[in-house]
Amino acid sequence: ETGVTQTPRHLVMGMTNKKSLKCEQHLGHNAMYWYKQSAKKPLELMFVYSLEERVENNSVPSRFSPECPNSSHLFLHLHTLQPEDSALYLCASSLQRTRLNTEAFFGQGTRLTVV
Amino acid sequence: AQKVTQAQTEISVVEKEDVTLDCVYETRDTTYYLFWYKQPPSGELVFLIRRNSFDEQNEISGRYSWNFQKSTSSFNFTITASQVVDSAVYFCALPIITQGGSEKLVFGKGTKLTVNP
Repeated sequence: ETGVTQTPRHLVMGMTNKKSLKCEQHLGHNAMYWYKQSAKKPLELMFVYSLEERVENNSVPSRFSPECPNSSHLFLHLHTLQPEDSALYLCASSLQRTRLNTEAFFGQGTRLTVV
Repeated sequence: AQKVTQAQTEISVVEKEDVTLDCVYETRDTTYYLFWYKQPPSGELVFLIRRNSFDEQNEISGRYSWNFQKSTSSFNFTITASQVVDSAVYFCALPIITQGGSEKLVFGKGTKLTVNP
């Protein structure tokens, strides 16, 4: 139990669907992140939120839309995805977004398949 | 460039063997940190260790040990007397600060370790 919970664990969606991924942390962390893990590629940072404000968008297509309603919850809204968006989406949190010496805690991820 | 290279894509060993996972990094920073994470089949990344560039002492935690060598820009990870439960993908990571001022983990591609009974 890492303290970061992601739901759902698995999701299959069609290219015309709209779905949302949810992430929750109760570690008292101020920063939350979305990472994407595709087959045969390194983990890639997608978004960073600090105190509910989006501070980084790592050139992610607009079909991915994050939302952070409070410091404990982070969503990733998905619409009109492509099959190449199939991947494991990992949420993480850390104490502060600007500190390099504190580790990020990761959730178990949502395995997304776009058909 | 800020980069992490894990040249070993997959390693397979028999239980009780020792195994070393290699990590080579590139950074322009004079002060930096390095992490190792473990990703079991369940998916989450589990933090294993943090090392700062000031401290080149090797670290041991049970069956795990880490060898940090600044001269070769390497931060290798050894599992002694491996067990089936050690089977996972292991990632070496370099935290950096992005242009936007946020921490970002630069990961290697990972090494998949399979420990066979």
